[in-house]
Amino acid sequence: KQEVTQIPAALSVPEGENLVLNCSFTDSAIYNLQWFRQDPGKGLTSLLLIQSSQREQTSGRLNASLDKSSGRCTLYIAASQPGDSATYLCAGRAAGNKLTFGGGTRVLVKP
Amino acid sequence: DGGITQSPKYLFRKEGQNVTLSCEQNLNHDAMYWYRQDPGQGLRLIYYSQIVNDFQKGDIAEGYSVSREKKESFPLTVTSAQKNPTAFYLCASEEGLNQPQHFGDGTRLSIL
Repeated sequence: KQEVTQIPAALSVPEGENLVLNCSFTDSAIYNLQWFRQDPGKGLTSLLLIQSSQREQTSGRLNASLDKSSGRCTLYIAASQPGDSATYLCAGRAAGNKLTFGGGTRVLVKP
Repeated sequence: DGGITQSPKYLFRKEGQNVTLSCEQNLNHDAMYWYRQDPGQGLRLIYYSQIVNDFQKGDIAEGYSVSREKKESFPLTVTSAQKNPTAFYLCASEEGLNQPQHFGDGTRLSIL
């Protein structure tokens, strides 16, 4: 059964610093992996989807890097801004076509 | 504007009562999902439907029921058998397995 872990659970950085968010998964037969952002009391907003055949996916200041052999996906956010403060969740899709979510990393970018 | 609408935003349940959460989408997506989110945790799958008139249990289906009579609608009923229903409920849809899931703004359910 796929398990997805996000460490740390919370992260605080000064404005302008690059953010590095980690996601680990146990089943390397992953189909794709998605990153979402969640603001307090709101639903999830899709940020990036990276296919198992890809090593990187980029969108603006966001870059996701996938290493299937080590079971890791990393989300990089360049030049962080206070508006980037939110909870970031990763989710992997493996056998059975269902998404398995990590517990999220709560990010605070201090001005 | 295409999207997913969940209602109500807040819902209160009395002891022994069934309550129904609404989820409507106008994205023309075949697949729809219901998740439960507890404080500080990720999402857990309750039920999902890949096509009209068909649905499957997720990881935590006990105490919940769903229907999928129309493509646009996937209501979730929280029955009295669900002893710990207090949570944030999220509905999602997707166009296909290679596409991102789209989410509604959620319904927060509490016990009176």
